[in-house]
Amino acid sequence: NAGVTQTPKFRILKIGQSMTLQCTQDMNHNYMYWYRQDPGMGLKLIYYSVGAGITDKGEVPNGYNVSRSTTEDFPLRLELAAPSQTSVYFCASSWTGNEKLFFGSGTQLSVL
Amino acid sequence: AQKVTQAQTEISVVEKEDVTLDCVYETRDTTYYLFWYKQPPSGELVFLIRRNSFDEQNEISGRYSWNFQKSTSSFNFTITASQVVDSAVYFCALSEAGGYSTLTFGKGTMLLVSP
Repeated sequence: NAGVTQTPKFRILKIGQSMTLQCTQDMNHNYMYWYRQDPGMGLKLIYYSVGAGITDKGEVPNGYNVSRSTTEDFPLRLELAAPSQTSVYFCASSWTGNEKLFFGSGTQLSVL
Repeated sequence: AQKVTQAQTEISVVEKEDVTLDCVYETRDTTYYLFWYKQPPSGELVFLIRRNSFDEQNEISGRYSWNFQKSTSSFNFTITASQVVDSAVYFCALSEAGGYSTLTFGKGTMLLVSP
């Protein structure tokens, strides 16, 4: 099993560009999440999904969009990249909201 | 709203010392879950433990132990005889049981173990 796969691992964007961070899991988990990690700030939840077709905002959703058309995939879209979105992004999945999270390896994004 | 506080930003110890990482949480729920994750310098997030609010027994796993005290809303993590490989950022996290719950993380404690 691959677990949670995130792509790309690194990306540099110019201000105003858009991109999609891809996330897929092969564990048939219902819950999927996107977190961002800034130095010294822990992980903050951007968006999450409790099943295909159901998504909801987390603590820091501004500037991002998500969709969940299948159980496996949960892409994160940045429409107009801003320097404040420079961060490390982690996708994760779990059976329920109270079970342990399985994390992807992270995407380091720089917006210049 | 749920909240997790890890007051220790960074801890430095010498190998073989014991070290305790503090975690204090806030929640209005009576049923909740507490977690610890490790993030080594390579960057991945590694699950260490999950504990529910009805299980106050301390847990020991090798050199790791966890002390859960509901009376003080704390879930502290102790590493006995620390090793250089324990150097990492450690995160405490909380999820409440109701509805569509999600994990709330503390800001993390960076542990540096020197030889």
